[in-house]
Amino acid sequence: DTAVSQTPKYLVTQMGNDKSIKCEQNLGHDTMYWYKQDSKKFLKIMFSYNNKELIINETVPNRFSPKSPDKAHLNLHINSLELGDSAVYFCASSQELTGVYNTEAFFGQGTRLTVV
Amino acid sequence: GNSVTQMEGPVTLSEEAFLTINCTYTATGYPSLFWYVQYPGEGLQLLLKATKADDKGSNKGFEATYRKETTSFHLEKGSVQVSDSAVYFCALYNQGGKLIFGQGTELSVKP
Repeated sequence: DTAVSQTPKYLVTQMGNDKSIKCEQNLGHDTMYWYKQDSKKFLKIMFSYNNKELIINETVPNRFSPKSPDKAHLNLHINSLELGDSAVYFCASSQELTGVYNTEAFFGQGTRLTVV
Repeated sequence: GNSVTQMEGPVTLSEEAFLTINCTYTATGYPSLFWYVQYPGEGLQLLLKATKADDKGSNKGFEATYRKETTSFHLEKGSVQVSDSAVYFCALYNQGGKLIFGQGTELSVKP
């Protein structure tokens, strides 16, 4: 039983294409995230949703659009892909508790996106 | 702002050697601190955490102590194994709702 699952695991596409990455969690969490990991392993938060509402929207090109149809799903759509978008994208989820800041985040296995 | 700084890798050790990976942070308020581990080809998983000053997190032989006076959360293990080879991330979580990661430290343990 995979807690946080992403599809696809690998994605190779040409510049200019539009692609989506899907994420689902079966943990009952109310918060989900997208992170980008570059070739040097640096992790940067892109978006955070809490109960389908956008909470964090870092400085990310507007070609990236997250969509949360329900609190168990957070998809990432990328328009007009560029070479610099090549990275590993991780979805994560956690259960936010008011006033509690030690909650663990659970990560998916990542989607390796290669733009050629 | 909030940030996390880790020692640069890669770190290469022989099996049974002592491991220290340094981590310092800058934060407003009183963040919770974490170490996550990423094995090759996998996502991150929580290794240990500490939520207040002087707390010690421990798991699988790894330990880290929340030092508020030095704003540090160094990861240690007394005797590493080949299976510990991975990338280790120090992170903090604060009231802003963000889990902020350090740049990661790659550990390679040779038999």
